Formats: sequence, C-alpha cells, structure tokens
Amino acid sequence: DIQMTQSPSSVSASVGDRVTITCRASQGISSWLAWYQQKPGKAPKLLIYGAASLQSGVPSRFSGSGSGTDFTLTISSLQPEDIATYYCQQADSFSWTFGQGTKVEMK
Amino acid sequence: EVQLVESGGGLVQPGGSLRLSCAASGFTFSKHSMNWVRQAPGKGLEWVSSISSGGSTIYYADSVKGRFTISRDNAKNSVYLQMNSLGAEDTAVYYCARDKGVLFGEFIVPNNYFDFWGQGTLVTVSS
Repeated sequence: DIQMTQSPSSVSASVGDRVTITCRASQGISSWLAWYQQKPGKAPKLLIYGAASLQSGVPSRFSGSGSGTDFTLTISSLQPEDIATYYCQQADSFSWTFGQGTKVEMK
Repeated sequence: EVQLVESGGGLVQPGGSLRLSCAASGFTFSKHSMNWVRQAPGKGLEWVSSISSGGSTIYYADSVKGRFTISRDNAKNSVYLQMNSLGAEDTAVYYCARDKGVLFGEFIVPNNYFDFWGQGTLVTVSS
C-alpha cells in the first residue's frame, strides 16, 4: 500500500495567516491526490481533487499543488471557520490511503 | 441535494455481526461507485471498501477482507456493509461516501475521490 505522510501534525496560526500543509506519498501518484477538511463531530468534506482542482463551493483561499510524491495544501488567509483537521488521500492505487491528519488551530 | 444517511450501528460483542445501511438520494445512485470509510475514536480516516456502480467490482482493505461484505441495491438506492467476526479494532464511526467520478458520455467512471459523505454511524465492539 502507498503510505501518505503529512506534516506538520498540528499548526497554530492567526486569522489572516497563510497556512501550508504538506503531504508526501511513499511512491509516485502523479496528481491522484485529494484534500479533505473535517470539523469535530462532522463528516469529512472534499476540498481539492486531482492535486489542484477546487471542489465546487469551496472558498478560493484554499489551493493545492504538487505532483509525483510531494503535495501542498495552502490556506491563503486563515479564517475562524477553517479550524479543522485536514487529511490528504491518494487515489492512484488500491487501497486508497489517507494521511494521518493535520490539525489547524487558532493562535 | 445529495444526501447519504447511514444506519445500523450500535454496540456488539466481540465476534458478533452487524449490518450497516446507507440510503442515498438526490443523485442517480446507479451511476456512481460507493465506499465505506471508517474512523476510530480520536484517530484518522481509513478506507474500508468500495463497490462499483453495477456491483461487479468490489475492493476491501486488508484489515477487513474475509470478514466484511459490501453490497448494493440500485432499486433501493442503498449500499450495505455486512460486518462479521467483529473485534475491538473495528470500533469506529463508519461513513458512507460517494465516488465523485468523471462523466464519459452517459457513464460515470470512478476516480476514487469521495465528494459526498453521510453523517456516520458508530459501531462499538465491546463485551
């Protein structure tokens, strides 16, 4: 199975800050990567697919980049409603695997 | 509006069985692959199983292979997860999730991204 490793495991930032989360795959996955946001007690929400495509309805302050093994999720200007845990997921090879999550907290 | 509603969770003893259901609405269910994803308390997400739109292609995570069975009834817009030989490691919230897919003519080809999720149903395995 492809292993997905996210860093950092948690990040503390202020409103308006730029936040960057990275995800590394144990082998190349081209652009077969998604990012999800999960708030406490809620189901995950798809933010980005195909490494860089914004899911319908997701604010444009979210962006994704990367290909191969290294990927990035960027929140350009952190808002209070962005406080959540973020997961990457590879969609290249069965079985589909998730990163361990990055918790974004408000400073 | 796309809706996925899971049911069937609860408390079960080790070695027991449980059947989860997911009722779908708001989209053409028969055209999309469907998935089950679980989350143990305080832990991350783990994909469990997938079933193609017609039910002919099925995948399982190694952790549940041989114990869990996914199925679907397109006439009832529902997907199911039969869970047998349950252990404490299966304690989790189980989510039903739709494969986003890509439209090719009249068909939707799965792309293994999960664009809609249910609210989840909690399965607790304990004596």
